[in-house]
Amino acid sequence: GAGVSQSPSNKVTEKGKDVELRCDPISGHTALYWYRQSLGQGLEFLIYFQGNSAPDKSGLPSDRFSAERTGGSVSTLTIQRTQQEDSAVYLCASSLQGLLGEETQYFGPGTRLLVL
Amino acid sequence: GENVEQHPSTLSVQEGDSAVIKCTYSDSASNYFPWYKQELGKGPQLIIDIRSNVGEKKDQRIAVTLNKTAKHFSLHITETQPEDSAVYFCAASGADYQLIWGAGTKLIIKP
Repeated sequence: GAGVSQSPSNKVTEKGKDVELRCDPISGHTALYWYRQSLGQGLEFLIYFQGNSAPDKSGLPSDRFSAERTGGSVSTLTIQRTQQEDSAVYLCASSLQGLLGEETQYFGPGTRLLVL
Repeated sequence: GENVEQHPSTLSVQEGDSAVIKCTYSDSASNYFPWYKQELGKGPQLIIDIRSNVGEKKDQRIAVTLNKTAKHFSLHITETQPEDSAVYFCAASGADYQLIWGAGTKLIIKP
């Protein structure tokens, strides 16, 4: 079946521009996660959505970062006034319920963002 | 805060030999420990997981062991093959829904 998809796969932007990254989770998955992965590094948690609950935004690095999830499905991560340090791979994952952190997270292929 | 340490950061083994990656965690309440494999240009994918009520789990050439007393767990890959080359991440369940991730191990299989 269809997995998690992300678009665009690559994005090159100029410093100061805004970017939007999209994530389509697996159908029926109520939990959705965004992570950031800098070159050769581990996974940095950004934000978590679960059903209709208020999202956990505790991982967002600054107020330039925001995310929304419409209709409990598709999510967009927006970075305003991009900086060079925002360059990274942005990964989206979904899981069936997201409860207790004990479910398999299914990852998309990521969006590679380069800020010039 | 909760922390997962992973070692080594890079591991190079000869094809056919075994590879072992180790992780330690800080939260004694953690009870779920997955391992993910990330191939170049792809997102991580779950390869095996273990829960705190068992000490070892095996799936073909991969196995995971857990020592809750010492708060560490390990991934073992036997008879390594070129397709095992990837970055491997360990994780431990944290508060609520969170997974606490290790920094990753780059595994290189030498032909």
